[in-house]
Amino acid sequence: DTGVSQDPRHKITKRGQNVTFRCDPISEHNRLYWYRQTLGQGPEFLTYFQNEAQLEKSRLLSDRFSAERPKGSFSTLEIQRTEQGDSAMYLCASSSTGPGDNEQFFGPGTRLTVL
Amino acid sequence: GENVEQHPSTLSVQEGDSAVIKCTYSDSASNYFPWYKQELGKGPQLIIDIRSNVGEKKDQRIAVTLNKTAKHFSLHITETQPEDSAVYFCAASETSYDKVIFGPGTSLSVIP
Repeated sequence: DTGVSQDPRHKITKRGQNVTFRCDPISEHNRLYWYRQTLGQGPEFLTYFQNEAQLEKSRLLSDRFSAERPKGSFSTLEIQRTEQGDSAMYLCASSSTGPGDNEQFFGPGTRLTVL
Repeated sequence: GENVEQHPSTLSVQEGDSAVIKCTYSDSASNYFPWYKQELGKGPQLIIDIRSNVGEKKDQRIAVTLNKTAKHFSLHITETQPEDSAVYFCAASETSYDKVIFGPGTSLSVIP
C-alpha cells in the first residue's frame, strides 16, 4: 500500500450539478477524515469516520454534502447542487487508533472547480 | 472550539539561515501539535509533531518547542535549503487521531 489515494484529482463542473469524490485510505487504518482547503488557507475539518460510523460532522458540512464509508474501507463525498463557493481542494486523510503514533496521512486531494 | 493562529504568513530566508514559525492555540484540551509541509499540488505531509507531555523535540534540522502554559508552539528549521521552500502549517488536536485544526499557513521561500 503506497498511501492514501483520491479520485478524481481534478473535477470541473457547472453550478447546480452533483459531484462525487472517492478516497481510498491506507488499508489498515480505521479512521478516515475529510478536509476542505481553499486557496491560501489551511485545511478545514469536514467530517470523519471510524470504520463505517460517521463520528463527527463540522458545521461547514451543509445539507448538500454527504459522506459515506459503507464497508469501513473507501469513502465517498458527494456534493449536491454545487455552488461556486464549493470550489476548493478536498483532502482525505486516514489514521489508525491502535498502539503507536497514529498520525494522519493525507492524500493528494481532489481539486473542484465550479463554473 | 479550537482556534490556531500562525505567523508570519510569508517568510523569506537565505539558504543556510534559520527559519522560525510561531503558533498559538486556544483550547487547553489540545494535546497533540503536528506540523505539516505542503508543496504545490500535493496534500499536507507531516514533518514533525509534539505532544503535550514534551517541551521540545528535534529531528535533524527541524525542531519544535511547546509552551503549554502560554499555549504557544513553534517550528525551527536550521541550515535551510531551497527544497525547504513550501507552505508550512501548524495544527492542534486532542489526539493524533482526532480532527486536526490547522493554522492559516506560512509560505517559506529559501533563496539560493
